[in-house]
Amino acid sequence: QVQLVQSGTEVKKPGASVIVSCKASGYSFSRHALHWVRQAPGQRPEWMGWIIPGNGNTKYSQKFQGRVTIVSDTSATTAYMDLSSLRSEDTAVYYCARDNGLQWLMDYWGQGTLVTVSS
Amino acid sequence: EIVLTQSPGTLSLSPGEGATLSCRASQSVSGSYLAWYQQKPGHAPRLLIYGASSRATGIPDRFSGSGSGTDFTLTINRLEPEDFAVYSCLQYGTLPLTFGGGTKVEIK
Repeated sequence: QVQLVQSGTEVKKPGASVIVSCKASGYSFSRHALHWVRQAPGQRPEWMGWIIPGNGNTKYSQKFQGRVTIVSDTSATTAYMDLSSLRSEDTAVYYCARDNGLQWLMDYWGQGTLVTVSS
Repeated sequence: EIVLTQSPGTLSLSPGEGATLSCRASQSVSGSYLAWYQQKPGHAPRLLIYGASSRATGIPDRFSGSGSGTDFTLTINRLEPEDFAVYSCLQYGTLPLTFGGGTKVEIK
């Protein structure tokens, strides 16, 4: 079955960077894009961007352009989201989600990774 | 970007009752690319409905979706105890992808 397992909780200081990983299994990793979505406390989810592991193509939300980098390692069936210049407003749960190939529909999600930014 | 407004914010209902949740878009959703998710505390979102009205694999038929353009509805018939959760809509037809603010269905 499709599984996305993310790395654990992170606590970072303002100005630092964080890398969250997403290990995929149960499907052909290269053939499905992987999205990253975050949800801050009390806020609606925000789409950050995606990567197509098969060719490395990425697309980022304008809101995060310049601060987010998404990469993938097909041999490890793992995607990584790197968010830099962290500020307190970046405190959120970060999710990876598989694109099922119908437009940009996200079907399976990881369990989420809490990133706390605090001095 | 397309702003999705969900209403009501909270629905207080008893098991066995029906629920009607609304998701309204600030502009027409391309191709009716509107999905609904269920989320419980500490769990990943679960896809319920895609394409406005198609049930995802394994989703019981008490869940149904309808709508087009800017107005979409999720209907839950005969609420089961496990249906009490937060429901969010997502439009995936236009970048950036955007989510609604969620409707919490709580036990009355």
